[in-house]
Amino acid sequence: RKEVEQDPGPFNVPEGATVAFNCTYSNSASQSFFWYRQDCRKEPKLLMSVYSSGNEDGRFTAQLNRASQYISLLIRDSKLSDSATYLCVVSRRNAGNMLTFGGGTRLMVKP
Amino acid sequence: GAVVSQHPSWVICKSGTSVKIECRSLDFQATTMFWYRQFPKQSLMLMATSNEGSKATYEQGVEKDKFLINHASLTLSTLTVTSAHPEDSSFYICSASSGETDTQYFGPGTRLTVL
Repeated sequence: RKEVEQDPGPFNVPEGATVAFNCTYSNSASQSFFWYRQDCRKEPKLLMSVYSSGNEDGRFTAQLNRASQYISLLIRDSKLSDSATYLCVVSRRNAGNMLTFGGGTRLMVKP
Repeated sequence: GAVVSQHPSWVICKSGTSVKIECRSLDFQATTMFWYRQFPKQSLMLMATSNEGSKATYEQGVEKDKFLINHASLTLSTLTVTSAHPEDSSFYICSASSGETDTQYFGPGTRLTVL
């Protein structure tokens, strides 16, 4: 079983739609949680950190459920420019700041 | 935000040659640098973690004699793919951390093609 699992998609949605991605992690020692965005043939870029209390950044909302070991990302009012692969990332306690990446969920927003 | 550069951005080489990739933190001191590899349609896989002035820690299945990592200063780490073969063709990405937070700053990646 992979340490971080995501539905690979693709999610094909129209502009303006709301879309949600889910991610589960298997290691209960995971300490920090992130969503990264990766465009084709580019490096991943930090979208937002995820906190237990949930956090929002504009159209993006991230939630963390430690009991279920589950992380979500909600994108409202999708834009064409949101088309990318979204990577769920965790780091482990006592693992030297090492990040473990999920396989990514591909989003395609269409006109 | 913090900037990390990689050089070269792409390289094509013949099988059997060695290729060196540089990773630099431009505006901060990186106590730790990470090297990842990403094959098409797959996620990033950590290859090794390096701390300045010490030997790199390699992930299971990554040959340390094939992928030589040097982290000689707080702003530079290098990855050398020795005797490259076509199966080493991949997207190699470095990241750097100052150690003050969990945040890793990623370089733009190097696309290696071995013929």
